[in-house]
Amino acid sequence: AQTVTQSQPEMSVQEAETVTLSCTYDTSESDYYLFWYKQPPSRQMILVIRQEAYKQQNATENRFSVNFQKAAKSFSLKISDSQLGDAAMYFCAQSSGSRLTFGEGTQLTVNP
Amino acid sequence: EPEVTQTPSHQVTQMGQEVILRCVPISNHLYFYWYRQILGQKVEFLVSFYNNEISEKSEIFDDQFSVERPDGSNFTLKIRSTKLEDSAMYFCASSGFMNTEAFFGQGTRLTVV
Repeated sequence: AQTVTQSQPEMSVQEAETVTLSCTYDTSESDYYLFWYKQPPSRQMILVIRQEAYKQQNATENRFSVNFQKAAKSFSLKISDSQLGDAAMYFCAQSSGSRLTFGEGTQLTVNP
Repeated sequence: EPEVTQTPSHQVTQMGQEVILRCVPISNHLYFYWYRQILGQKVEFLVSFYNNEISEKSEIFDDQFSVERPDGSNFTLKIRSTKLEDSAMYFCASSGFMNTEAFFGQGTRLTVV
């Protein structure tokens, strides 16, 4: 069974600063995808960024980037120049077959 | 921009009643999913659907749950006899290919009383 672990239940960052959210996963598969989803108070799930496991290059999407360490099974999210609108719950997820397995989530607070 | 839409946004039902949650996936997507999130907990996979049949289901998806694609656009989740513990946010999602990013709807909040 796949497992995804987010060891930081809560994180906070000052506006305009950088924050890194951690995620580790466990899988026996060689080909998979990893994702970060954002869930604001509205509770909608919004895709932030994705990473294909076969790609060595870390994915980047504007202020969001990942540090993907395949051997260590680590997939952290870096948010640069944090904005108030980044405040949300962030979920790490791994694809396996046709399902996504989610971590427990990290609640990010952005302080003005 | 194409999006997944779910109705209703909030449903309150009495224990033992049947509910149907509705979803319209993104039109050119082939894979459809239901997930649920009990308040304060992580998102859990329920079922995936492809080519008019279930391709994978979790241990949560027992005999009281069923899914259907009644026409070319809708995708429904039916809970036959609701229990208090079925209270959760239910998310529909779709993707163009298996194992790639899923796009989620805004969710249906189900409250069983």
